[in-house]
Amino acid sequence: DAGVTQSPTHLIKTRGQQVTLRCSPKSGHDTVSWYQQALGQGPQFIFQYYEEEERQRGNFPDRFSGHQFPNYSSELNVNALLLGDSALYLCASSLVGTGDLEQYFGPGTRLTVT
Amino acid sequence: AQSVSQHNHHVILSEAASLELGCNYSYGGTVNLFWYVQYPGQHLQLLLKYFSGDPLVKGIKGFEAEFIKSKFSFNLRKPSVQWSDTAEYFCAVNAQNTNAGKSTFGDGTTLTVKP
Repeated sequence: DAGVTQSPTHLIKTRGQQVTLRCSPKSGHDTVSWYQQALGQGPQFIFQYYEEEERQRGNFPDRFSGHQFPNYSSELNVNALLLGDSALYLCASSLVGTGDLEQYFGPGTRLTVT
Repeated sequence: AQSVSQHNHHVILSEAASLELGCNYSYGGTVNLFWYVQYPGQHLQLLLKYFSGDPLVKGIKGFEAEFIKSKFSFNLRKPSVQWSDTAEYFCAVNAQNTNAGKSTFGDGTTLTVKP
């Protein structure tokens, strides 16, 4: 039973560039949430995708956007990168409608902006 | 808006000592509460969760937590820690009647257990 996978593992970008991060949910899950975890802090909710639409969004600017594909995998895009975007980006998957509120987290993508 | 406060940033214990990690949340409505653990080099994983019912919940590896509604607290406990419990622990909350995705996390507590 495959867990949540994320790619790439590490990424180094320059200020102003754009980046795309990818996530495949746990087998059988239909909902993907993205979190940003800065050094020394807890994960912060960015947004959630279900049925290929953004369903909930945290307090992040429009530079952060996403997409969910018919196979439930998801992408996180960040435009016009800032130094402050350097963080670990976590993807979590869950299954809506089952009453099970457990999220399963992936290993994360470490983004460094220079 | 929800917020979560974890009182201890770094806790150092000897093996067999008892553990209690504090967690307080701020939210006006009914909540679901979680404790997650991240062992060195591993993914964030769920330790235990509270939705309703018995306020004392038991999780994996001998951990338990008690929800005290009047204190807006959900403290994590373990009677006797082991070296393998060395990890970072996160408390999280989401509003009840929302799905699992939108959780608010505390900033974590790093636990170091000395052998």
